[in-house]
Amino acid sequence: ETVMTQSPTSMSTSIGERVTLNCKASQSVGINVDWYQQTPGQSPKLLIYGASNRHTGVPDRFTGSGFGRDFTLTISNVEAEDLAVYYCLQYGSSWTFGGGTKLELK
Amino acid sequence: EVQLVESGGGLVQPGRSLKLSCAASGFTFSNYYMAWVRQAPKKGLEWVATISTSGSRTYYPDSVKGRFTISRDNAKSSLYLQMNSLKSEDTATYYCARLGDYYDGTYYPYFDYWGQGVMVTVSS
Repeated sequence: ETVMTQSPTSMSTSIGERVTLNCKASQSVGINVDWYQQTPGQSPKLLIYGASNRHTGVPDRFTGSGFGRDFTLTISNVEAEDLAVYYCLQYGSSWTFGGGTKLELK
Repeated sequence: EVQLVESGGGLVQPGRSLKLSCAASGFTFSNYYMAWVRQAPKKGLEWVATISTSGSRTYYPDSVKGRFTISRDNAKSSLYLQMNSLKSEDTATYYCARLGDYYDGTYYPYFDYWGQGVMVTVSS
């Protein structure tokens, strides 16, 4: 089983800042990684697929990158609506979610 | 508009069974793989099962393999999850999700639509 480890588990930010969330796979998964956003009480929402492709309607302040084992999600110019939990998901070998990173207001 | 509506959740005793349903609308259900994803209270997401368009192929993680069965009825645009031998650790909100995709020379599958979820509580 491919384990996905996200770091940090939580982070504090201010509106307008730039943040980087990390996700590390226990083995290479190529570009087979998606990123999802979950706001309180809501279902997850797809942000990024194939490591770096923004899903339809996702603001361009969200950027995904990475290949192999190391992946990042960068949010530029954080807005209040971005405060949420972010999950990476690998689909290179079955499907495995990371544990999530909670983005909070400082 | 794509809609996924789960039902069938509730309180069940350990060792018993429960069957979840997901009613799909707004898209051609038979053209898409479908999946179940769960989330224990205050915890992260866990993939539970995936089924192919025809239902001939199914996939499970070790945590539910042999206990859970995913199925579908394309004529009714419905997805199901039969859960047997339930354990307390199966307590979670269960989401139905569509496995969409994009192809540009490379195949990209992703969970593009999710239901609102249904709560399953396993407790005596």
